[in-house]
Amino acid sequence: DAGVIQSPRHEVTEMGQEVTLRCKPISGHDYLFWYRQTMMRGLELLIYFNNNVPIDDSGMPEDRFSAKMPNASFSTLKIQPSEPRDSAVYFCASSQAVGTGDNEQFFGPGTRLTVL
Amino acid sequence: AQSVTQLGSHVSVSEGALVLLRCNYSSSVPPYLFWYVQYPNQGLQLLLKYTSAATLVKGINGFEAEFKKSETSFHLTKPSAHMSDAAEYFCAVSAPWRDDKIIFGKGTRLHILP
Repeated sequence: DAGVIQSPRHEVTEMGQEVTLRCKPISGHDYLFWYRQTMMRGLELLIYFNNNVPIDDSGMPEDRFSAKMPNASFSTLKIQPSEPRDSAVYFCASSQAVGTGDNEQFFGPGTRLTVL
Repeated sequence: AQSVTQLGSHVSVSEGALVLLRCNYSSSVPPYLFWYVQYPNQGLQLLLKYTSAATLVKGINGFEAEFKKSETSFHLTKPSAHMSDAAEYFCAVSAPWRDDKIIFGKGTRLHILP
């Protein structure tokens, strides 16, 4: 298996522009998580999905952030409009169903976002 | 609810010395516990996990951790540090069978001195 795939790996954009980050989870994993990592705040959970349905989006910082999971193999995190304070590394992770008792998460390589 | 506390945001050890990274947890149910490592410019990867079997868990790269219920601790150790161990380490806890999420600690950056 190729693991969790994220694209792009690096994104540089200007303030006010729309940014879309993409994630392909590991096949067969029912859960998908979006995290943001900064020096100041560390690793923050933004939102997670179970079987393509958003379960908890309480970590999404503002209405400028939105996430979708149209199918089991693809998710997007969109920021519109972007601001310099959104600069961070965004990680996607996936895990198996909770019912297996083993909810180890597998992380992608991350997208480093810089908003100028 | 679950939480983890990692003692020390930065730890420095000399190459060849013992590595000890501390983690204490809080959980309302018997927990699963994890240690993840993040090398520079990479995602997090699992070092080891405790899932209620043996209390001493061995992971990759010579790391191990011991689950101590009486101390609510899950400290990470390695007998002899190597330069390649320089990274950030995250302790995490989950409530198996009950909760979808893993709760991560704030991380400890390990520096290896030559």
